[in-house]
Amino acid sequence: EVQLVESGGGLVQPGGSLRLSCAASGITFTDHHMDWVRQAPGKGLEWVGRIRDKADGYITDYAASLEGRFTISRDDVEKVLYLQMNNLKTEDTAVYYCARRNCRFPHINCYSDYWGQGALVTVSS
Amino acid sequence: DIQLTQSPSFLSASVGDRVTITCRASQGINNDLVWYQQRPGKAPKLLIYAASTLQSGVPSRFSGSGSGTEFTLTLSSLQPEDFATYHCQQFKSLPLAFGGGTKVEMK
Repeated sequence: EVQLVESGGGLVQPGGSLRLSCAASGITFTDHHMDWVRQAPGKGLEWVGRIRDKADGYITDYAASLEGRFTISRDDVEKVLYLQMNNLKTEDTAVYYCARRNCRFPHINCYSDYWGQGALVTVSS
Repeated sequence: DIQLTQSPSFLSASVGDRVTITCRASQGINNDLVWYQQRPGKAPKLLIYAASTLQSGVPSRFSGSGSGTEFTLTLSSLQPEDFATYHCQQFKSLPLAFGGGTKVEMK
């Protein structure tokens, strides 16, 4: 069965840290760029960032609004994607999704074809 | 940065209705636009990519069109399981952007 399963969510105080994991099974992982997307309660989807694959040097890109507080990494051997979140703010409260990026042509006509079930992160004192 | 504006934000419709949702980009994105369906408490589900290509397994009542700055998602005959929120997303350039979403509710 194809699965992306997030874990590591929970309640954290403002200024705290949290690391989310996204474990892949039943799908190819190594050759794909991976994205994190979040959704605040009752709000729309917001792109968090992306990590490229090994062929593209594992380069990462982030939404500017995160101000360098988040870091994406991956372990291609274990097929796990990570999101390290530091100095968390109340406005980071959201469900965080990992998603596999696929493309019709190399880097053209891309889309997120597989999504995890989401991990809820609540930042509150 | 590219912004996407979806309209309408809310839509009331009945089973069997034809429904059209629009997504406008602040600058040209060729056909690098994707549509997702999201049911409450669930992850987004890919419907259409490259503006008009139906993802495998998605019913043919869903269709997408457009290029450049204006795109549409059409449901030819709304079914009970189609009441959900629909999102557009551009993959032309970073930062990736989503539209604000369109919630399709039962009239």
